[in-house]
Amino acid sequence: DAKTTQPTSMDCAEGRAANLPCNHSTISGNEYVYWYRQIHSQGPQYIIHGLKNNETNEMASLIITEDRKSSTLILPHATLRDTAVYYCIVRVTGGYQKVTFGIGTKLQVIP
Amino acid sequence: GAGVSQSPSNKVTEKGKDVELRCDPISGHTALYWYRQSLGQGLEFLIYFQGNSAPDKSGLPSDRFSAERTGGSVSTLTIQRTQQEDSAVYLCASSPPGANVLTFGAGSRLTVL
Repeated sequence: DAKTTQPTSMDCAEGRAANLPCNHSTISGNEYVYWYRQIHSQGPQYIIHGLKNNETNEMASLIITEDRKSSTLILPHATLRDTAVYYCIVRVTGGYQKVTFGIGTKLQVIP
Repeated sequence: GAGVSQSPSNKVTEKGKDVELRCDPISGHTALYWYRQSLGQGLEFLIYFQGNSAPDKSGLPSDRFSAERTGGSVSTLTIQRTQQEDSAVYLCASSPPGANVLTFGAGSRLTVL
């Protein structure tokens, strides 16, 4: 799996968009970008994933740069319940391999 | 059940005792993962099962740790001769064949006194 780099922590005002960056400069052509989040005292939860096109679902949007070396997870209107650790990982879909998580970004949504 | 079930949710044990943690994955999910999360830390990969293939045990921290997956379903993580540094939340996740979205359980919190 390609390695990812994320900021350790970020703050965001409630109601504003939260933009969480992830660098994955060594990503391979067949590796997808996945995002998970972990709210305090809970197991991680899947958010979204993509290959090269931007993706949107009910939780968030994922913007992947054209060279695929970085991506941004966007929470359009952050709420206090979005306070969590956000993990960006890259891996081959359908591949049989372990999944490793970095330390993620601690997002604090401020009232 | 609809999700990944882990038991016990909390376990307090004395140093030196053996413990077993159980994970019941989502029905039909062929991949199963165990992770450890110490207080304030990230997710530490322990072991990965995929179908009938040999498990990837590369994350197990010592030979006191072992895991089995019976019949391709339920998994048990065993920690022998527990130490205080084993205190952590142990998380299990599963994923269906051909897909890589992991569904996590709520975890088992282990406290070694």
